[in-house]
Order: sequence, then structure tokens, then C-alpha cells
Amino acid sequence: NAGVMQNPRHLVRRRGQEARLRCSPMKGHSHVYWYRQLPEEGLKFMVYLQKENIIDESGMPKERFSAEFPKEGPSILRIQQVVRGDSAAYFCASSPMGAPKNIQYFGAGTRLSVL
Amino acid sequence: AQSVTQLDSQVPVFEEAPVELRCNYSSSVSVYLFWYVQYPNQGLQLLLKYLSGSTLVKGINGFEAEFNKSQTSFHLRKPSVHISDTAEYFCAVIPGGRGGTSYGKLTFGQGTILTVHP
Repeated sequence: NAGVMQNPRHLVRRRGQEARLRCSPMKGHSHVYWYRQLPEEGLKFMVYLQKENIIDESGMPKERFSAEFPKEGPSILRIQQVVRGDSAAYFCASSPMGAPKNIQYFGAGTRLSVL
Repeated sequence: AQSVTQLDSQVPVFEEAPVELRCNYSSSVSVYLFWYVQYPNQGLQLLLKYLSGSTLVKGINGFEAEFNKSQTSFHLRKPSVHISDTAEYFCAVIPGGRGGTSYGKLTFGQGTILTVHP
């Protein structure tokens, strides 16, 4: 049973480019969460999605960031016009049903470097 | 809103010694509590969780934690550590109710780097 799969594991972008991070949840999981880990900081919640719905996006920056979890395919975190401050590790988690009791299982993360 | 404070950013310890990693939280609502471990360049792995019931919870790899509601603490302990326990440990909370939309949001502490020396 494969775990949460994130790709790419490492992504390098130049300032102004777009970054697309993918997350395939564990089989049978319909809830996805994105977190960001900035250097020297802990993990910060970004967004919580269910299939085709955004449940909570209170942690998403107001501009340049968007997330989706379509009916088919992986969840995508999209960052437009990246800046150096976007350099971080982005983690995706999934759960079979909604939180809070359902445990969030984490992927290995995508490490984004902005040059 | 919730907040989590891990009182030690780094904890060095010798192999086979006991260790305690401290975690305090603040919340206006009831919460569930978790400890996750992150090995270098990997994702987070759940060590243990407190949802309800006995305040002493046991997890994987010989770790345990005790929930203390009056002190709002959830300290992690292991009686004898191994070199392989070297990693970063995160304490996290999530609102226990289902009111509102924040029930999906894990709030993490800053992390404690545990280094086990031979």
C-alpha cells in the first residue's frame, strides 16, 4: 500500500517562474492537506482540500498561491511568479476521512529552491 | 486559535540514556495531540497520538507521552535512546470539535532536534 506520494522531490525555479507541486494521497484517502516548512521554522498549515472542494485555505498567502484537488488525479499546489522567499519544503498529508480524529499521513515533501 | 511551544530546540543525549522532549500548548477549545518524527530529508512519521482515554499513550519505537490537561503539556519520553532516534521531533495539536473549518488544521511546534551520541 503506497504512502502519500509527492513529486518532484526537488524543484528548482528562477524568480518569476511557476512552480507546480503534486500530491497523490494514499489509496482510499479523499482529504488532502498542504503544509510549508520554511528554513528555521516549524510546519505551517496552508490549505485543506476534499475532492473538488477547498475546505480551509486560511493558511494560504493571498496572492500567487492556489491549490486544487480534482475528482481525478493528484492534488496540485501552484505557485505563480515565485520569489526567493518561497524557497521551502512543502509537505502534503492525506487522511481517509475528515480530521480531526483521522490521522494525517505525510509525504516526503517537495523541496523548492528559487534562484 | 491554538499554539504549541516546544521548550527545547536541541537536546543532546548519550546512547541508552533516558530523554524527555517537552511540549506545552495553548487552546481555547479541546484538542487532540500528536508527536511526529522527521528524519533528514524525509516526511513526518506519526509517533503517537492522544485522542481521549488514558493520559499515558504509547507509540512506536518505544516512545510514550503523557497528557496533562491542568498543565497543558504533552511531553514525550523514552527510557533508553538509540543512535537511530536522532531526528527532529514535532509536537502538534488539532481542534477536537467539528465546529467551523479549522478542524483539519494541525498546529505544530518549532521542533526539537534530538541528537544521540555514542
